[in-house]
Amino acid sequence: EAQVTQNPRYLITVTGKKLTVTCSQNMNHEYMSWYRQDPGLGLRQIYYSMNVEVTDKGDVPEGYKVSRKEKRNFPLILESPSPNQTSLYFCASSFARGETQYFGPGTRLLVL
Amino acid sequence: EDQVTQSPEALRLQEGESSSLNCSYTVSGLRGLFWYRQDPGKGPEFLFTLYSAGEEKEKERLKATLTKKESFLHITAPKPEDSATYLCAVRTAGGGNEKLTFGTGTRLTIIP
Repeated sequence: EAQVTQNPRYLITVTGKKLTVTCSQNMNHEYMSWYRQDPGLGLRQIYYSMNVEVTDKGDVPEGYKVSRKEKRNFPLILESPSPNQTSLYFCASSFARGETQYFGPGTRLLVL
Repeated sequence: EDQVTQSPEALRLQEGESSSLNCSYTVSGLRGLFWYRQDPGKGPEFLFTLYSAGEEKEKERLKATLTKKESFLHITAPKPEDSATYLCAVRTAGGGNEKLTFGTGTRLTIIP
């Protein structure tokens, strides 16, 4: 089944404790992206990747890092999480930039 | 700055009562308008892409239309399983970063 998977689905952590949210897709998509979704603000792009080893900032990149060492994986790293990063995070992928994006199930993060 | 506005924020309909959701946009260089459905606790699920004014697409009880300034998602004789949040997104190429800009969604509730 074609899908985007994310892990973990739920995470509670404390300020400053580094964490990684994994994202994997099995559709051989070149373009991958991370979004956060907050009430009243909609989905906002954090980082995106056009292909392996090619990443760039989206609209709200502060406090986040990403890497793309393999085509299928695009982890999101929070090196020192803060409470304002409490949110619902989605990974998405598409064949190419600007094409239809397919979303993962989401990761709900709470930073205390 | 690219803007996408969806209205109403929330809509409650009786089963079988047809209505429309609105997505208005102010963007530079529209390259596509996307509709997604999002169920609680899940990632957005792709519904339609529209590229040019006058274009229409249909899927079961849903029909999406596009003008130069807005898009409508018409829902005909809805059923309770159509209850979800409907998201609109526009694909733009402003500043060299082709991306999706999302609206905040319309939460649709169909009452049996």
